[in-house]
Amino acid sequence: DAGVTQSPTHLIKTRGQQVTLRCSPKSGHDTVSWYQQALGQGPQFIFQYYEEEERQRGNFPDRFSGHQFPNYSSELNVNALLLGDSALYLCASSAPDRGVETQYFGPGTRLLVL
Amino acid sequence: QKEVEQDPGPLSVPEGAIVSLNCTYSNSAFQYFMWYRQYSRKGPELLMYTYSSGNKEDGRFTAQVDKSSKYISLFIRDSQPSDSATYLCAMSGNFGNEKLTFGTGTRLTIIP
Repeated sequence: DAGVTQSPTHLIKTRGQQVTLRCSPKSGHDTVSWYQQALGQGPQFIFQYYEEEERQRGNFPDRFSGHQFPNYSSELNVNALLLGDSALYLCASSAPDRGVETQYFGPGTRLLVL
Repeated sequence: QKEVEQDPGPLSVPEGAIVSLNCTYSNSAFQYFMWYRQYSRKGPELLMYTYSSGNKEDGRFTAQVDKSSKYISLFIRDSQPSDSATYLCAMSGNFGNEKLTFGTGTRLTIIP
């Protein structure tokens, strides 16, 4: 049973560029959440997608946007990158309607903005 | 003040010792409490999951929640070098799949 997968594993961008990160949820899960984890900090909630719609959003600017596809996979897009966007981006999946209320995390994408 | 406070450590203990990790929180709406383990440069791995107050045991791990004190703990018995990692507490409100609010994580090292 494949867990949560994310791609790419590492990424280097320059300020002002745009980036797209991808996530495939654990089998049987239909809800995807994205988190940003700065070095030495706990993950911070960005947003959550369910049924292809953004259901909940954290305190992140509009430069952060996302999408969920019919197969439940998801993308995180960040525009106009800033140096402070350098972090580990984590995707988590869950299936609340099937009794799986906890979130399972993928390995993350490490983004470096120069 | 952060919603969830966690001592970042680092914490070093000898192999076989009992480890106690703790978090305090200020939001009384939190109902779900989780502990995640994160190895260096990896994603968080779910260890324990508790709803409301009480204790939960799973092998060498015990999670405790005291909602009256807004205090949660994770105990690790017979600690092993493989337990060396960062331990993150996380909490959510009405549903476990809602936005998780994390502590900063405690870095734990078990010394052989």
